[in-house]
Amino acid sequence: AQSVTQLDSQVPVFEEAPVELRCNYSSSVSVYLFWYVQYPNQGLQLLLKYLSGSTLVKGINGFEAEFNKSQTSFHLRKPSVHISDTAEYFCAVTSSGGGADGLTFGKGTHLIIQP
Amino acid sequence: DADVTQTPRNRITKTGKRIMLECSQTKGHDRMYWYRQDPGLGLQLIYYSFDVKDINKGEISDGYSVSRQAQAKFSLSLESAIPNQTALYFCATSEAGATTGELFFGEGSRLTVL
Repeated sequence: AQSVTQLDSQVPVFEEAPVELRCNYSSSVSVYLFWYVQYPNQGLQLLLKYLSGSTLVKGINGFEAEFNKSQTSFHLRKPSVHISDTAEYFCAVTSSGGGADGLTFGKGTHLIIQP
Repeated sequence: DADVTQTPRNRITKTGKRIMLECSQTKGHDRMYWYRQDPGLGLQLIYYSFDVKDINKGEISDGYSVSRQAQAKFSLSLESAIPNQTALYFCATSEAGATTGELFFGEGSRLTVL
């Protein structure tokens, strides 16, 4: 079984400042890792995913994440945030066998962009 | 049109009532899932289905049941709703045989049980 810990429930940041949303996972097997974003009153959409290969993964809207196996982390970063990035962000994990039984999600981090 | 459609989007009901949330998809995916989202708790898996004849319980299935009427349709039922089932419910799909586990979500059904 896998688990995900998102260390911050809320992250306030000023517009155009950089941001990092932290995610740590626990698993006894190899994993695939995901970041999803949920804008207000919407469903979840995929930001980016790590399956294998390069540990630095680039996603949509200027976000990127780095997989660190030794620290079991998959932190999400953006060098300069915009008001439109205000949303809930979820880190998720599944076993690298394909995760047929669904993804395990963290509790979410609410990113608040201040003008 | 959305690839994964949930109905109703919002529902208010009373304790003890039977409620059905419906999900249909046009993605052609075999796997379908129901998740529940509560503030501060993230998403928790209720049930999932690999095909019409294969239904599996998730981590919080008590108080819920599901029906997979067709490849494209997966319904969640609350036989006797209670207030702590007030939550945002998401249907999701994934492609059988895919190796990534990536999920595709509907826009959610907000349920309030009074």
